[in-house]
Amino acid sequence: AQSVTQPDIHITVSEGASLELRCNYSYGATPYLFWYVQSPGQGLQLLLKYFSGDTLVQGIKGFEAEFKRSQSSFNLRKPSVHWSDAAEYFCAVGEFGTSYGKLTFGQGTILTVHP
Amino acid sequence: GAVVSQHPSRVICKSGTSVKIECRSLDFQATTMFWYRQFPKQSLMLMATSNEGSKATYEQGVEKDKFLINHASLTLSTLTVTSAHPEDSSFYICSAKGTGYGNTIYFGEGSWLTVV
Repeated sequence: AQSVTQPDIHITVSEGASLELRCNYSYGATPYLFWYVQSPGQGLQLLLKYFSGDTLVQGIKGFEAEFKRSQSSFNLRKPSVHWSDAAEYFCAVGEFGTSYGKLTFGQGTILTVHP
Repeated sequence: GAVVSQHPSRVICKSGTSVKIECRSLDFQATTMFWYRQFPKQSLMLMATSNEGSKATYEQGVEKDKFLINHASLTLSTLTVTSAHPEDSSFYICSAKGTGYGNTIYFGEGSWLTVV
């Protein structure tokens, strides 16, 4: 069974600092990977996704993520964090094939941004 | 872009009653929708896969008679929580995908259910 681990439950950074949120996955075949952001009480917004091809994926709001097969990782990065980035971030892995669309989520990482 | 809408966004119901939550794809046809549940400060857990025109597929441990899912059209799936109890209070969120692989999976805004 597939699984996703986000090792950091809570991260605090200063505004303008760089950010890296970690994500490790376990999956028997080539996964497809997502990062979503959730503001309190809200739904999920897709930041970026990886299906195949270039392992460095660009997303919205200045986020990027790099797929590293050898490390089973898909870490999310942003060079300069804005106060509005404070939210909870979820990494998710999905399957190809008939179960496409069915996602397994990590535990989430809460990002706090200090002014 | 494609949008998935859920209704209601918040609902309070009395213990023992049933409540229905709708998930609509607004500008695309969704052959498959997914229902997730999120307890406070926890991650999202898949409850079931809803396929248009057929029975839903439930994840292990999810009571299909308690969480009734109907996907009667290509743009609408409903989740009915029957005989709700306070422990059913949670955030329910749906997602939808269109036909073909490679399509983005869109999530609804979620629905807060409080059972009193």
